[in-house]
Amino acid sequence: EAGVTQFPSHSVIEKGQTVTLRCDPISGHDNLYWYRRVMGKEIKFLLHFVKESKQDESGMPNNRFLAERTGGTYSTLKVQPAELEDSGVYFCASSQDREKLFFGSGTQLSVL
Amino acid sequence: GENVEQHPSTLSVQEGDSAVIKCTYSDSASNYFPWYKQELGKRPQLIIDIRSNVGEKKDQRIAVTLNKTAKHFSLHITETQPEDSAVYFCAASRLSNTGKLIFGQGTTLQVKP
Repeated sequence: EAGVTQFPSHSVIEKGQTVTLRCDPISGHDNLYWYRRVMGKEIKFLLHFVKESKQDESGMPNNRFLAERTGGTYSTLKVQPAELEDSGVYFCASSQDREKLFFGSGTQLSVL
Repeated sequence: GENVEQHPSTLSVQEGDSAVIKCTYSDSASNYFPWYKQELGKRPQLIIDIRSNVGEKKDQRIAVTLNKTAKHFSLHITETQPEDSAVYFCAASRLSNTGKLIFGQGTTLQVKP
């Protein structure tokens, strides 16, 4: 079974630029989550999709962040324009039952 | 708001010793407590979890205990091995909710051969 896949693994951009992160969940998993870990702190929840619908986006920092999940398959997380404090590791996770989450390897985002 | 405190932030033990990581949660409605292990450069992986109707769960060298009254839960690793070296995250959630996990800050465990 293929795991959760994230692209790119690393991204270095300048402040003010746009970056789009992609996540391919495990096939058949309706639940898809985005999390972020900043500067060695805790992993923080960003949002949760069930199929193509946003169930909970209470963790999204501000309106510079836009998440989509077209057709209920893969998801993208766009940051526009990026700020220095957006640097961190962005994790995607998927789940069949909302209990056991399977994580991707993350995208290391560096905003200079 | 909801939060999970995790201690210690770093832990160094000799191979063969035991390691204990402790977490405290704030949301009394939390009823599911997973532990994730993240090896260097790899993805976080679920290693053990416990529901609030159980006080203790064991899987080989790993055990988790839960004290609902005190809102504490702990991870115990016995007979540690170098391959146990990793960052460990505790988390709490409400299963009846969206599955949103509230994570602790992580513990970097180093097992010295």
